[in-house]
Amino acid sequence: EVQLVASGGGLVQPGGSLRLSCAASGFTFSTYSIHWVRQAPGKGLEYVSTVISNGGATYYANSVKGRFTVSRDNSKNTVYLQMGSLRVEDTAVYYCARTTTAFYFDYWGQGTLATVSS
Amino acid sequence: EIMMTQSPATLSVSPGESATLSCRASQSVSSNLAWYQQKPGQAPRLLIYGASTRATGIPARFSGSGSGTEFTLTISSLQSEDFAVYYCLHHNDWPPPWTFGQGTKVEIK
Repeated sequence: EVQLVASGGGLVQPGGSLRLSCAASGFTFSTYSIHWVRQAPGKGLEYVSTVISNGGATYYANSVKGRFTVSRDNSKNTVYLQMGSLRVEDTAVYYCARTTTAFYFDYWGQGTLATVSS
Repeated sequence: EIMMTQSPATLSVSPGESATLSCRASQSVSSNLAWYQQKPGQAPRLLIYGASTRATGIPARFSGSGSGTEFTLTISSLQSEDFAVYYCLHHNDWPPPWTFGQGTKVEIK
């Protein structure tokens, strides 16, 4: 069974940092791109970041570029999202998700809440 | 970057009735369109990809159609578990970023 488990959320002050993790199981992790999508309270889905299967390329939404860094450790079947210079508007549930070769999201993790507040 | 526009924002439907949701892309995405369902407190779930192919385990009352820039998700005979928010997003487009539609909330009338 494919599983993606996001963790690492919590309360952080503006300007602070947080590292999210996404642990995967049930599939050949090293052959899939993994993405982060977030959802602010009461709002819609917003793409955040992508790391390709071998970690050789990463992509970011303009809203987080230069502040967030995505990486992966294929030996641990885990993707990380290092979030820095956090802003109140980064408050959201962060989901990790997998895409197929046709780039639609076929499996999603349960999400982890990051709250940026003083 | 391709923009997705969904309508209406909210759809009020009685159980047993059908619902028709629309999604428009800012440029042609051929048939590369996916629909996702999200219930409160849950992660999104893939419903439809390739504009009309149901994902594994999705009931036949969900159907998708369209190509190019205009797409429709139809839910026939709405069940209680279908009241949720639905998002569309094009796929088979690389690299990211991608922009989801703003969502359509299907609520009980």
